[in-house]
Amino acid sequence: GAVVSQHPSWVICKSGTSVKIECRSLDFQATTMFWYRQFPKQSLMLMATSNEGSKATYEQGVEKDKFLINHASLTLSTLTVTSAHPEDSSFYICSAPGNTEAFFGQGTRLTVV
Amino acid sequence: AQSVTQLDSQVPVFEEAPVELRCNYSSSVSVYLFWYVQYPNQGLQLLLKYLSGSTLVESINGFEAEFNKSQTSFHLRKPSVHISDTAEYFCAVSDASGTYKYIFGTGTRLKVLA
Repeated sequence: GAVVSQHPSWVICKSGTSVKIECRSLDFQATTMFWYRQFPKQSLMLMATSNEGSKATYEQGVEKDKFLINHASLTLSTLTVTSAHPEDSSFYICSAPGNTEAFFGQGTRLTVV
Repeated sequence: AQSVTQLDSQVPVFEEAPVELRCNYSSSVSVYLFWYVQYPNQGLQLLLKYLSGSTLVESINGFEAEFNKSQTSFHLRKPSVHISDTAEYFCAVSDASGTYKYIFGTGTRLKVLA
């Protein structure tokens, strides 16, 4: 099946700094990608839809100025958590739609200290 | 808009016993349905999916799920579980337009006991 690569798999950062997470579709093009967040022992919540060449669409309650999404090419979407705080610590995972399902990256565990 | 309900947050079951993980959905449009499994500190692995056709779908590792439109359900079953099936299971729905923008249920933690 298609492969989506997400990097880094884990990151620890200091409070107030920014962290960038990359999501790449390795063997197919994705004009759309999705970003989800999963708090410990909870479900995955859709944060935003990343659109190649245009602005991302954010779900209600997600701060677009805090979670910057860029989809500069047909194979790469990035999520930047700006001025991270401990409450942003979470598991972030991206997906890209294929023909019959979405393909998920491996996820990024962000810990803000 | 769609929503997904997984009523059971945890399901303990003895090894080699059968199990059913329940999933109900709500949608005003046609949907696609999915089951994913997540092992600790890992990403999501697709177990099986229903897009169209036969309402009973099966995975390669013995799981099956049946789409029931009248009851808006997509319950996951396995006739005999193994210790290695211990994991978190998520039911997900997307509209049938092909966006594969998922709405996930809250998950069910399956714990297989020896």
